[in-house]
Amino acid sequence: SQQGEEDPQALSIQEGENATMNCSYKTSINNLQWYRQNSGRGLVHLILIRSNEREKHSGRLRVTLDTSKKSSSLLITASRAADTASYFCATIQGAQKLVFGQGTRLTINP
Amino acid sequence: DSGVTQTPKHLITATGQRVTLRCSPRSGDLSVYWYQQSLDQGLQFLIQYYNGEERAKGNILERFSAQQFPDLHSELNLSSLELGDSALYFCASSVASTGGNSPLHFGNGTRLTVT
Repeated sequence: SQQGEEDPQALSIQEGENATMNCSYKTSINNLQWYRQNSGRGLVHLILIRSNEREKHSGRLRVTLDTSKKSSSLLITASRAADTASYFCATIQGAQKLVFGQGTRLTINP
Repeated sequence: DSGVTQTPKHLITATGQRVTLRCSPRSGDLSVYWYQQSLDQGLQFLIQYYNGEERAKGNILERFSAQQFPDLHSELNLSSLELGDSALYFCASSVASTGGNSPLHFGNGTRLTVT
C-alpha cells in the first residue's frame, strides 16, 4: 500500500486561480517531498519539508505539514498553463523505501 | 536537465524476452533508485543502491534484478517478460544514502512495451 495518498485525484481550474493539493500519510516521517511530473517525463523535485517545519515556500509554491494529522498540502498560487502536470508527495515507508502517492492531476485551463 | 541519463528511451520486445535498462546518475550522486510507473499501479519503488550496495528493496519481482557498478551507473535487468511488465521505468539519483533526506533527480525514463 502507498504511504502517501494525494487528494483530489484530479483538479481542473482556471488560469490565475490557486490550486491546493493534499497528501495524507500513515506512519511517522522525518521529511516529506513534493514532485511534479509533466506527461510522460521524469519527476521534478519541488520542495522537501522536514518534520520540524510547519510551512515552506518556494516561489509560487507553499507547502504545509501537519504531523499531528499526518498530512501535507501543496498550494500553487496564481496558476499558469505551464503548471499543468501531475503532483506527487513522497515519504519514507518502512526500511528506507521512498514511496510516492498516486498523484493529483492538475489541469490549468486558459 | 536533471543530469540523470537513461537508455534506451523506448524498448519494444516480445513476451519471454530479457532486456537491460541502463542509468547514469547525476555527477556526485551515490544513490540510484529504480521505479516502475504504470497506469494502474502508479509509481512503484523497485530498488535502491548506494555506492554499489543494495540499500532498500521494494516490490521488485524475482524476474527483475539490478546492480550498481563501481563507476556508479546502474542496470535493471528484466527477464521472462510478460505483457504486464509494459510500463515506464524511471531511474533517479540522489546524494544521500536514505531516500527521504535529499531530493531525487529523475531521468526521463525508458518506455518498455512488451508485445
